[in-house]
Amino acid sequence: QTVVTQEPSFSVSPGGTVTLTCGLSSGSVSTSYYPSWYQQTPGQAPRTLIDSTNTRSSGVPDRFSGSILENKAALTITGAQADDECDYYCVLYIGSGIYVFGTGTKVTVL
Amino acid sequence: EVQLLESGGGLVQPGGSLRLSCAASGFTFSRSGMSWVRQAPGKGLEYVSVITSSGGATYYADSVKGRFTISRDNSKNTLYLQMNSLRTEDTAVYYCAKGPRNWTFDYWGQGTLVTVSS
Repeated sequence: QTVVTQEPSFSVSPGGTVTLTCGLSSGSVSTSYYPSWYQQTPGQAPRTLIDSTNTRSSGVPDRFSGSILENKAALTITGAQADDECDYYCVLYIGSGIYVFGTGTKVTVL
Repeated sequence: EVQLLESGGGLVQPGGSLRLSCAASGFTFSRSGMSWVRQAPGKGLEYVSVITSSGGATYYADSVKGRFTISRDNSKNTLYLQMNSLRTEDTAVYYCAKGPRNWTFDYWGQGTLVTVSS
């Protein structure tokens, strides 16, 4: 069973920078997994931030960026704002029409 | 504007069945793959199923394979999820999502709650 791991939580100061990662229980993440990232406020539907590793979705501020860092997919928030405080999920495509969501990271801005 | 409106959730007993619907608008439905993703109370998001634009191919998470069936009616711009042999662990908010497009779920509905309990 494929497990996609994310940090359970992260804290960042307003205006600060934080990098969230998305890794595989066994193996490295590459662009071939087409990592995407989603933001979710509790009680709300997810919002798509990044597709195919590093393409920002329509309307997403440029303080959000995606990349591959040290064999993991990464989401960097530069200049964090109060309304960035929510949950973040990555998704990896593992083939044969199957996608796996990461465990999610709760970001606190304080 | 893309809109996805789920319906059909509710309370069902273990072993029972339920059919979810997702009415789509604001894009060419017949050209888009569609998906279901769920979220158990207090838990993370979980991939459930994907269907291609024509309905010719479907894919399922192992946790629902053989029990759930995804389908679509392109003449009605509607996506479905037939859920049989429901278990308590199927309790979740079920989201309809447009895509995958570029391997991404690019728009999401607001979700419908399914509760499996006796």
